[in-house]
Amino acid sequence: GENVEQHPSTLSVQEGDSAVIKCTYSDSASNYFPWYKQELGKRPQLIIDIRSNVGEKKDQRIAVTLNKTAKHFSLHITETQPEDSAVYFCAATPDTGTASKLTFGTGTRLQVTL
Amino acid sequence: NAGVTQTPKFRVLKTGQSMTLLCAQDMNHEYMYWYRQDPGMGLRLIHYSVGEGTTAKGEVPDGYNVSRLKKQNFLLGLESAAPSQTSVYFCASTYGGTDNEQFFGPGTRLTVL
Repeated sequence: GENVEQHPSTLSVQEGDSAVIKCTYSDSASNYFPWYKQELGKRPQLIIDIRSNVGEKKDQRIAVTLNKTAKHFSLHITETQPEDSAVYFCAATPDTGTASKLTFGTGTRLQVTL
Repeated sequence: NAGVTQTPKFRVLKTGQSMTLLCAQDMNHEYMYWYRQDPGMGLRLIHYSVGEGTTAKGEVPDGYNVSRLKKQNFLLGLESAAPSQTSVYFCASTYGGTDNEQFFGPGTRLTVL
C-alpha cells in the first residue's frame, strides 16, 4: 500500500517569511495529492490539491509542486501570517480502484511568530 | 446544509464498554470514511464505505465494526473498548471517482479508562 512521509514535523517561521513542507510517497499509481490544514481542536480542511497531470498549482499565497519522477510534492506558503499557524497534512491516493482512500502524512505543526 | 456531522462530540468509556459513533452527511456523497487521529501519527483509516450496504477494512480496523444501512449515515462501533482506542475520531465523505475532496466532520474525542 501507499506510504507517505512528511517533513519537518515542526516548523517555526517569522511573520512574512515563507514556509515549505515536503512529502514523499511510495505508490507510483498515486495521482491525487491534497493538503489539509487543521487548526487546534478543529476538523481538517482542504486548502489545495494537485493532480499528477500538472507540476504546480497556486492559490493566492499557497502553492503546491509535484515531482512524479522523484515521488515528492511540497506545500509552499508565502508571506506567512499568524492565522497560518496550524497543523498541515499531506496525503496521496490513486484515483481509481481504491475508493479514493487517502494515505496521510504525519503532519507538520507550523508556528508563525510575530 | 450541515455538511458532515458527528455525534457525540465527547465520550468517556470504561474498559470493556461498548458504544456507537454516528456520522451523517447531507451532500449525497457515495464514499464515507472513519479515521482515528493520534498525536504524531496523522490520520489513519479505520474502515470505509463506497456505497449503501457496503463496507471495507482500512489500515487499522481491529476492534471496530461499521455499518452503512443508509447512504447518508456511517456508524462506527466499539464492541469492547480498550485504552488503546483513546483517540479523536473523524468521519469524512466524498463523491468519489475523480471528485476526491474529502469533507470532514468535527470529530469525536473518546477517552477509554
